[in-house]
Amino acid sequence: DTEVTQTPKHLVMGMTNKKSLKCEQHMGHRAMYWYKQKAKKPPELMFVYSYEKLSINESVPSRFSPECPNSSLLNLHLHALQPEDSALYLCASSQAYGTGTSGRANEQFFGPGTRLTVL
Amino acid sequence: QKEVEQNSGPLSVPEGAIASLNCTYSDRGSQSFFWYRQYSGKSPELIMFIYSNGDKEDGRFTAQLNKASQYVSLLIRDSQPSDSATYLCAVGRETSYDKVIFGPGTSLSVIP
Repeated sequence: DTEVTQTPKHLVMGMTNKKSLKCEQHMGHRAMYWYKQKAKKPPELMFVYSYEKLSINESVPSRFSPECPNSSLLNLHLHALQPEDSALYLCASSQAYGTGTSGRANEQFFGPGTRLTVL
Repeated sequence: QKEVEQNSGPLSVPEGAIASLNCTYSDRGSQSFFWYRQYSGKSPELIMFIYSNGDKEDGRFTAQLNKASQYVSLLIRDSQPSDSATYLCAVGRETSYDKVIFGPGTSLSVIP
């Protein structure tokens, strides 16, 4: 299985809502990522989990809260978002540093994304 | 200077021609280099990776890496309309953290 799945595909929420994005992979990867992508811009890294531990937080506002329940699952909890948070949210996974072939740790595979609209 | 730069687009080529996409990077410690293709409204798809100087070929795609010049390119031979997409260059370095830096992307349009 070489697929990263994300749910939901689309999400519309109000600024007072609480929602969660979910990501799952079954490739045995030990690194998982959340990215945010605005139109005509490259993906912008938000969080990295390596061996189920948060290794990178790119100064993301606390209204975004990541969670890694196990090595296959990654969640992003959303609360009190702003309209400017509307974007495509991408999950990715890769072999973690220290496993497999040198360099392959950065070989990231993306899920289809969740299109988020904040009203 | 941006960490990863790509030739500004949009790039238009006729069907059957060679499309050349370029990427430069500033960190000499970079060790892994990736090309992603992203169709409008879709997620990035990894199409090529290269770690050593020289050329790497996969079907109609050739990645070229020159670490001395801090330059990586992607050639698409016999371009097809289905190749029309944004191409993202990503650069990583081997550290204890798994992170790549994406370039801004180049939009390619293949004209039938």
